[in-house]
Amino acid sequence: GNSVTQMEGPVTLSEEAFLTINCTYTATGYPSLFWYVQYPGEGLQLLLKATKADDKGSNKGFEATYRKETTSFHLEKGSVQVSDSAVYFCALIRHNQGGKLIFGQGTELSVKP
Amino acid sequence: DAGVIQSPRHEVTEMGQEVTLRCKPISGHNSLFWYRQTMMRGLELLIYFNNNVPIDDSGMPEDRFSAKMPNASFSTLKIQPSEPRDSAVYFCASSSHRDRVVGGPNTEAFFGQGTRLTVV
Repeated sequence: GNSVTQMEGPVTLSEEAFLTINCTYTATGYPSLFWYVQYPGEGLQLLLKATKADDKGSNKGFEATYRKETTSFHLEKGSVQVSDSAVYFCALIRHNQGGKLIFGQGTELSVKP
Repeated sequence: DAGVIQSPRHEVTEMGQEVTLRCKPISGHNSLFWYRQTMMRGLELLIYFNNNVPIDDSGMPEDRFSAKMPNASFSTLKIQPSEPRDSAVYFCASSSHRDRVVGGPNTEAFFGQGTRLTVV
């Protein structure tokens, strides 16, 4: 079936450190891939997306590249800030049967000053 | 557009009472999702609709839960009777989707602010 697997958290980093959050997926066909972010007490917001192989999504210094050969969509940021502390969710949408939106389990990121 | 609108934002109810959560999707979106989020189980997809039709309700925990989408601009999630273990944040999301159209615009889902349900 279709699924998304993320690295387990929590991830704790110092400010200005490099961030990688791994995400791999299992899906038939060519899903669209997303990273969502959830700040404390809020709903989920789209951070970035990629709709086909080799696309790179980017936003607010975050990047992720759609790698079909490794079925991965790892999230990276070169220099994290305290304000990046949140829970990050990797997700995919299937392009059939009404577009089921499937999430990974989420990875909590804590950035210390 | 005001985004996905959920009501109420907070709900506290006694065990055994009926609870109805409401969602207004973004105008023009044709897919609607209901999720539940808890510390223990994370983010769970309960049910989703496409063109007002329920496509997959396999995530609905039991018969106490039901969801409807009578038209393109409104959906409800009902719990009857409610139990303390139903306490969670319930999110509604909507997207614009067409089957077998890869890479189309606006495929991402937009989330509401959630309803925090507490059953005592």
